[in-house]
Amino acid sequence: GQSLEQPSEVTAVEGAIVQINCTYQTSGFYGLSWYQQHDGGAPTFLSYNALDGLEETGRFSSFLSRSDSYGYLLLQELQMKDSASYFCAVLSYNTDKLIFGTGTRLQVFP
Amino acid sequence: DAGITQSPRHKVTETGTPVTLRCHQTENHRYMYWYRQDPGHGLRLIHYSYGVKDTDKGEVSDGYSVSRSKTEDFLLTLESATSSQTSVYFCAISAIDDKKNTGELFFGEGSRLTVL
Repeated sequence: GQSLEQPSEVTAVEGAIVQINCTYQTSGFYGLSWYQQHDGGAPTFLSYNALDGLEETGRFSSFLSRSDSYGYLLLQELQMKDSASYFCAVLSYNTDKLIFGTGTRLQVFP
Repeated sequence: DAGITQSPRHKVTETGTPVTLRCHQTENHRYMYWYRQDPGHGLRLIHYSYGVKDTDKGEVSDGYSVSRSKTEDFLLTLESATSSQTSVYFCAISAIDDKKNTGELFFGEGSRLTVL
């Protein structure tokens, strides 16, 4: 089967840096994606890693290591508006389906 | 923003009644998906479609059926709703036809279903 594990909750203060980890068990996938979802809203796409390494998009960066079955989302210069849930997801070779992790709720405090 | 709308946005129904949720897109994308979201479970794939009349099951397909008679519409049907199907349902479409390149989906605003 396939599973993606994330911490359930992370807290930080404004201006800080936070890392949200994603460990997975899957037989093979095209890439690792990250999504943000505010309460009551729809998930929105943040980033995608097809290859190992770091991808940077403004204050957000995402990392993938296939050999370690591990990835993370790094959020810098945290702002209050970053308080949301964050999901990792993989697109499986075998099933052609996009499977999501259980999500991490980030709370940013002043 | 991708042109994707869901209807109804909110519905309350009784156990045993049929329910159909509609997802409509204006992007002409090939892939469409239905997910449900429940506390502690994240987003779980119910069914997806890779073309007109081409559909396949996801992780939690029991009790659900889908149909795609046109590129723009993907319908999710609960033949006989149960309380365990109370959830928020999201439709999604892929950003590009060859979705394997980016893994990016655009989501609708969700349909909140309550089964009493």
